[in-house]
Amino acid sequence: DTEVTQTPKHLVMGMTNKKSLKCEQHMGHRAMYWYKQKAKKPPELMFVYSYEKLSINESVPSRFSPECPNSSLLNLHLHALQPEDSALYLCASSQGSVLPTNEKLFFGSGTQLSVL
Amino acid sequence: SQQGEEDPQALSIQEGENATMNCSYKTSINNLQWYRQNSGRGLVHLILIRSNEREKHSGRLRVTLDTSKKSSSLLITASRAADTASYFCATDGGRGSTLGRLYFGRGTQLTVWP
Repeated sequence: DTEVTQTPKHLVMGMTNKKSLKCEQHMGHRAMYWYKQKAKKPPELMFVYSYEKLSINESVPSRFSPECPNSSLLNLHLHALQPEDSALYLCASSQGSVLPTNEKLFFGSGTQLSVL
Repeated sequence: SQQGEEDPQALSIQEGENATMNCSYKTSINNLQWYRQNSGRGLVHLILIRSNEREKHSGRLRVTLDTSKKSSSLLITASRAADTASYFCATDGGRGSTLGRLYFGRGTQLTVWP
């Protein structure tokens, strides 16, 4: 299994809602990532987990809260989002500990989030 | 910004033609990677070239790296309509950068017409 699975594929939420994005991989990868991508822009790193510990937080607003319950799962909890948070949210994983020099990322298909 | 810059931003060609995309970056690197993204989907890794390599092939893909010019090119030969996608280069920022950060360029949107 070489897939990173993200659910849901699409999400529409109001600014007062609380929702969660889920990501799962069964490749035994020990590093997992959340990226945000606006239309026609490159992916922007949000968070990195290495061995289930948060290792990078790219100064992301607290309305985004990541969680790594185990080595296969990664969640992104959303609360009180703004319309400008509408984007494609991508999860990725890599084999070892936080992207050693010669590793590639495996990406999920993303969750297209719309905040109304 | 440490991000790479792809050139051109958009490229439109006919099936069978070759497509060349360029990437320039600002810092030293340990490696450079190319990814493809179909519209609204996740990125797919295409090829990784290390800083001590100059050229690498994978099927119809050919990547070159010139660290003295801080640039790389991706050549897709005999393109197909299915190659239509956005192509991103990504660098790791080299020594001194935080492990885990991969810097993506702005991307080249390739359209291949049947």
